Amino acid sequence: DAGVIQSPRHEVTEMGQEVTLRCKPISGHDYLFWYRQTMMRGLELLIYFNNNVPIDDSGMPEDRFSAKMPNASFSTLKIQPSEPRDSAVYFCASSFDSLGTDTQYFGPGTRLTVL
Amino acid sequence: ILNVEQSPQSLHVQEGDSTNFTCSFPSSNFYALHWYRWETAKSPEALFVMTLNGDEKKKGRISATLNTKEGYSYLYIKGSQPEDSATYLCAFAGSGGYQKVTFGTGTKLQVIP
Repeated sequence: DAGVIQSPRHEVTEMGQEVTLRCKPISGHDYLFWYRQTMMRGLELLIYFNNNVPIDDSGMPEDRFSAKMPNASFSTLKIQPSEPRDSAVYFCASSFDSLGTDTQYFGPGTRLTVL
Repeated sequence: ILNVEQSPQSLHVQEGDSTNFTCSFPSSNFYALHWYRWETAKSPEALFVMTLNGDEKKKGRISATLNTKEGYSYLYIKGSQPEDSATYLCAFAGSGGYQKVTFGTGTKLQVIP
């Protein structure tokens, strides 16, 4: 398996623009996670899905952020409108089964810069 | 909000030195504790997952211990090498319902040749 795939790897956009980040989890993994990494707060969980269903989105910063998982092999994280404070590295991760004990496999991340 | 703390935030050691750092987590409702290794410009990779009080895990020169009653885990690196330079993250999973993993902010290790 190619591992967790994220695109784009880098995104530079202007404030107010819509940004869509994409993730393809490892085949057969039932859980998918979106994280944001910042210097101040480290790795923060934004939202996670189980079998394509959002389970916990309490980490999503505000209504400008939304995430979908239309099928088992694809998820998107959308920011609309984007703001400079959204600049961060966004990671997608997936795991096979039990959330607590199962290893999460991370994608390479998308570095987002909002000017 | 769960408090998962790691200390120190960063450290520098000479090649060949042994080192250790700490992850503190809530001692109640414990389910699992993970350690990840995160090299610069890469993504986190799993080292260990531990579930039982007193667990010890080892992978080459890296080992970890777990004390769930007092809420801490130690990560040890014996004879540090420059390739050990990375940020080491711990992640706590609590019990009950849908478990959510909370990451610490990491310990950044720099091994000086």
